[in-house]
Amino acid sequence: GAGVSQSPSNKVTEKGKDVELRCDPISGHTALYWYRQSLGQGLEFLIYFQGNSAPDKSGLPSDRFSAERTGGSVSTLTIQRTQQEDSAVYLCASSLSFGPGTRLTVL
Amino acid sequence: EDKVVQSPLSLVVHEGDTVTLNCSYEVTNFRSLLWYKQEKKAPTFLFMLTSSGIEKKSGRLSSILDKKELSSILNITATQTGDSAIYLCATNQGGSEKLVFGKGTKLTVNP
Repeated sequence: GAGVSQSPSNKVTEKGKDVELRCDPISGHTALYWYRQSLGQGLEFLIYFQGNSAPDKSGLPSDRFSAERTGGSVSTLTIQRTQQEDSAVYLCASSLSFGPGTRLTVL
Repeated sequence: EDKVVQSPLSLVVHEGDTVTLNCSYEVTNFRSLLWYKQEKKAPTFLFMLTSSGIEKKSGRLSSILDKKELSSILNITATQTGDSAIYLCATNQGGSEKLVFGKGTKLTVNP
């Protein structure tokens, strides 16, 4: 594809439910990042994948957050037992290019 | 802890004005500084500045890195309404690929 794609573009869920956010990076890019942007805040690093190396998970805010990258391509960010403070835009980046993000709203 | 601070937080100008956005940083083992423009959701890459490339220019936009002052500026000349956006500054350090972002400067250009 021409750029990074993310799905869904918007997700509304109830507190306590699990959600999965998907990222399709630019073909051939080995580096993939997840960031979170809360209202009025800058981007907060969550996790970084590089090729087959162990991911850098140092930004994940709690053990309710996890991410995987299958086959070195598509990545899924999973948030378990969502809380209202998880509401934010979740952005995926493939090297220096960002996707359009997923706006998550937890009611 | 690494920190990036941008100023001003918001700025309102008229078309044709020139603006200067500021970014200061405290990063251990600094490697690069990046500028992004965010209009809707996805930040769009503008510039990367490093020790070997401290000045970049593209059209009406230009940026300079001052490693002594640990800061960078983004200049936009002859502003247009399409320049209205949030401008984000980010840094990363050697040995780490993650970017540390500032909170951004919201620029509004009125006709």
